[in-house]
Amino acid sequence: AQTVTQSQPEMSVQEAETVTLSCTYDTSESDYYLFWYKQPPSRQMILVIRQEAYKQQNATENRFSVNFQKAAKSFSLKISDSQLGDAAMYFCAYRSAHSNSGYALNFGKGTSLLVTP
Amino acid sequence: EAGVTQSPTHLIKTRGQQATLRCSPISGHTSVYWYQQALGLGLQFLLWYDEGEERNRGNFPPRFSGRQFPNYSSELNVNALELEDSALYLCASSFGTGLTIYFGEGSWLTVV
Repeated sequence: AQTVTQSQPEMSVQEAETVTLSCTYDTSESDYYLFWYKQPPSRQMILVIRQEAYKQQNATENRFSVNFQKAAKSFSLKISDSQLGDAAMYFCAYRSAHSNSGYALNFGKGTSLLVTP
Repeated sequence: EAGVTQSPTHLIKTRGQQATLRCSPISGHTSVYWYQQALGLGLQFLLWYDEGEERNRGNFPPRFSGRQFPNYSSELNVNALELEDSALYLCASSFGTGLTIYFGEGSWLTVV
């Protein structure tokens, strides 16, 4: 089974600064997808960004970008120009591309991001 | 367009009882996923239903079960409740095996 590890239980960043959240994963598969989800206090999970393993180019969505290192099995999230609304729990997730592994997301334990004024 | 809706929002049960949680997916979505989010454990995959059938199951005992109805809504049943079943239960839906899944706001289950 694939495992996802987020080694930073908590992170803090000042407003307008940049922060990077770390994620590593373990898999023997070559085709898969990686995600970052945000969970604000409302508890509803919101997709932040997605990366396809077959793509070498790092995904970017506005102020959010990833550093995908396939050989190292690393998938970090960079948040630029941090805003107070970015404060939330962030989860890294893995999904297989193969039906025999199932299509459910495997989540890490999350990183709580605090944004200070 | 309505998102994924879950009911009840909160549920309190006594150890040994049964709990039933419900989920309505986004209109047109055929897949429903259930996750358990216990304190400090992140999200643990429970069950995946697609087109009315159970497609995959996480590492949970058989007392966690569910079903998907013809209208693609789903319910999760937890029998013989234990204290450690206290958690937020999240439902998510997608169109088939699509990459983008949408989550509901969850149902809080407290077992006393």
